Amino acid sequence: DTGVSQNPRHKITKRGQNVTFRCDPISEHNRLYWYRQTLGQGPEFLTYFQNEAQLEKSRLLSDRFSAERPKGSFSTLEIQRTEQGDSAMYLCASSLFKGGPIMNTEAFFGQGTRLTVV
Amino acid sequence: AQRVTQPEKLLSVFKGAPVELKCNYSYSGSPELFWYVQYSRQRLQLLLRHISRESIKGFTADLNKGETSFHLKKPFAQEEDSAMYYCALSGPFISGSRLTFGEGTQLTVNP
Repeated sequence: DTGVSQNPRHKITKRGQNVTFRCDPISEHNRLYWYRQTLGQGPEFLTYFQNEAQLEKSRLLSDRFSAERPKGSFSTLEIQRTEQGDSAMYLCASSLFKGGPIMNTEAFFGQGTRLTVV
Repeated sequence: AQRVTQPEKLLSVFKGAPVELKCNYSYSGSPELFWYVQYSRQRLQLLLRHISRESIKGFTADLNKGETSFHLKKPFAQEEDSAMYYCALSGPFISGSRLTFGEGTQLTVNP
């Protein structure tokens, strides 16, 4: 499968523990996005990278959340001191920003990491 | 700030019947509208985007700027169309072309 890959697929953790998720985008894509989806809701934007630079963070992204994309390829999302409210599906997406009339190709999504905080 | 509204959480139709999934948006700029679909146990995938003006799997959607709507339509629904459908908005002046999603509509096509 050459699409966006996310690991792990499922994570159960105790409240207060730290967790880290990984996203491997489509190889030639320079933009990488993180979204969060809770039950009954559509995905909500968290943050995005263009190459290795993190260019925007949502207000949803509290200080306990940190994301990196050190070499402009894969990305990690870490949640420190998890809370029950962090339980959600975390989605990663990637796209190719080309500029021009169609500035951004479609975003391709991974299958997500489902986090359960107990 | 941009917002997408899908008024129907659940929609059920019979096979062969027409189907319309509603989407309304609010955005002060020039929007780009998308429909994403998620079939059972599969990842979210793009169904169509308004700038492409394509018909995918028999679905079409027309951007109506006057009514700020982007409804998804199919004249004859098939059982394999049963899925979760999300309307999403972006735009050239939205940072990173990030997407704002609606809450989704679960479509069930009955035999």
